[in-house]
Amino acid sequence: GAGVSQTPSNKVTEKGKYVELRCDPISGHTALYWYRQSLGQGPEFLIYFQGTGAADDSGLPNDRFFAVRPEGSVSTLKIQRTERGDSAVYLCASSTGLPYNEQFFGPGTRLTVL
Amino acid sequence: TQLLEQSPQFLSIQEGENLTVYCNSSSVFSSLQWYRQEPGEGPVLLVTVVTGGEVKKLKRLTFQFGDARKDSSLHITAAQPGDTGLYLCAGAPDNYGQNFVFGPGTRLSVLP
Repeated sequence: GAGVSQTPSNKVTEKGKYVELRCDPISGHTALYWYRQSLGQGPEFLIYFQGTGAADDSGLPNDRFFAVRPEGSVSTLKIQRTERGDSAVYLCASSTGLPYNEQFFGPGTRLTVL
Repeated sequence: TQLLEQSPQFLSIQEGENLTVYCNSSSVFSSLQWYRQEPGEGPVLLVTVVTGGEVKKLKRLTFQFGDARKDSSLHITAAQPGDTGLYLCAGAPDNYGQNFVFGPGTRLSVLP
C-alpha cells in the first residue's frame, strides 16, 4: 500500500517568507508526528496529532511554527517569517498508535532558507 | 529533558565482521525503537523493545533492552554492504507520552 508522502520534496525560500509543508499519512493511521532533522543529527520531535487535535506540541521551537490536521488525515506544517536556522529536513511519520506507536516515516521535505 | 546518546558515532568495517552499537540514557523509557535511515529517505523501523532485559532477533540483527530500560544495544552478525546506513534509536517517555526522543545515530559503513 501507499506509504507516507510529503510535498514538496525540496523547498528553497528567502529569509522572512512563509512556507507550508504537507504530509499525507498512511490511510487509517490516527497518529501523526512532525520532526525536524538537521545535518548529522537524529530527528527532533516537533508535534504529535491524535486525530484532528494536537495532543503534544511541546517540541515546536517558537510561535513561528504551527501545524494543523483539520480532518484527521493530511497535515500541514506552517512556518512564518522563516530564518536561516530553520533550514533542515522536516519529516512526517504516522502510526496506528497501537500497541507501541511504531512510526512509518515519509521521505521528508528539505527546507533551505537563504 | 530526556536525552539519548549513541556510540560509536561512525563505524567502518569489512563485510563479514560483527559489530555492536549502543544507545544510552540516564532516563527511563517505556519502550525503545531502532530505525535505519538511508540518505534522502526517512527512517525505517527495525524493532521495538518494551520489557527490561528483552532480547529480539531479526535475522542477523540482535537487539537488547537494558534491565533498567535506560539503554539498548544492536548487534549485527556477519555484516553485509546492505547494512550500511544511519542507525537511530528512539525512546518513548516513561509517562507514555508521544514526544519521542531520538539519538544522534551511528553511521555504519560496511565495505565489500
